[in-house]
Amino acid sequence: DTEVTQTPKHLVMGMTNKKSLKCEQHMGHRAMYWYKQKAKKPPELMFVYSYEKLSINESVPSRFSPECPNSSLLNLHLHALQPEDSALYLCASSQDRVGNEQFFGPGTRLTVL
Amino acid sequence: SQQGEEDPQALSIQEGENATMNCSYKTSINNLQWYRQNSGRGLVHLILIRSNEREKHSGRLRVTLDTSKKSSSLLITASRAADTASYFCATDEYSGGGADGLTFGKGTHLIIQP
Repeated sequence: DTEVTQTPKHLVMGMTNKKSLKCEQHMGHRAMYWYKQKAKKPPELMFVYSYEKLSINESVPSRFSPECPNSSLLNLHLHALQPEDSALYLCASSQDRVGNEQFFGPGTRLTVL
Repeated sequence: SQQGEEDPQALSIQEGENATMNCSYKTSINNLQWYRQNSGRGLVHLILIRSNEREKHSGRLRVTLDTSKKSSSLLITASRAADTASYFCATDEYSGGGADGLTFGKGTHLIIQP
C-alpha cells in the first residue's frame, strides 16, 4: 500500500467550530507532515512528526494543533479558524525525515465561513 | 522563506514539444526534488537528484543540477496533454521556522495544447 489517505475531502466550517482533519499511511514511514496550500501558491510546511517528536513551524497559529495517535495516523485539530485559513491542507509521509521523497495525500479542501 | 524559485511561472506549448522549467535556490542542499500537481490535487513525486549528482533521467524526464549556480532544470520531452499540471521544485535544506520539511518553489504551470 503506497497511499496516503486524507479525510474529509472537503470541509466547510464556521469560525466557532471545532473540527479535525485525518491523515493515514500504512507504508511504515517514520515521518509525517502537514502542509497548507493557498490557491496558486506552493505548499507551506506546518508541522513535522518524526520518531515521536513534533516540530512546529513557528509561523503557524495555535488554532491549528496536530496530534499523532500512532505512527500511522496524523490528525490536525482546528479551532476558532479565520476565513484566511481557507486552503488545501495536504498530508505527506516519508521513510525518514530528510533526504527522501514524500508521498502526498489528495488533500482536504477547507473553507472557513 | 521560499527556497526554490521556478522559471517560468507559466508555460504553454504544443503537444509533442519539449518543456523546460528552471528552479533556483538560495542555500546549500542535500537534494532537490521535483513534484507535479494536477489542479487542486495532491502532489506526485517525479524525481530526486542528490547534491553530488549532475543529471538524472526518468522516462521522459531529465533533471539537471548545478550546485555552483544553485539551479536545477526539469525537461519533459515529447509532451502530452496529460502533462498539463503545475510543477514544483523542492529542497530539504533546513529553512528555519522550527520545522524541517520540504521547501517548495513557486511552481511552473504547464499547459499542453492538443
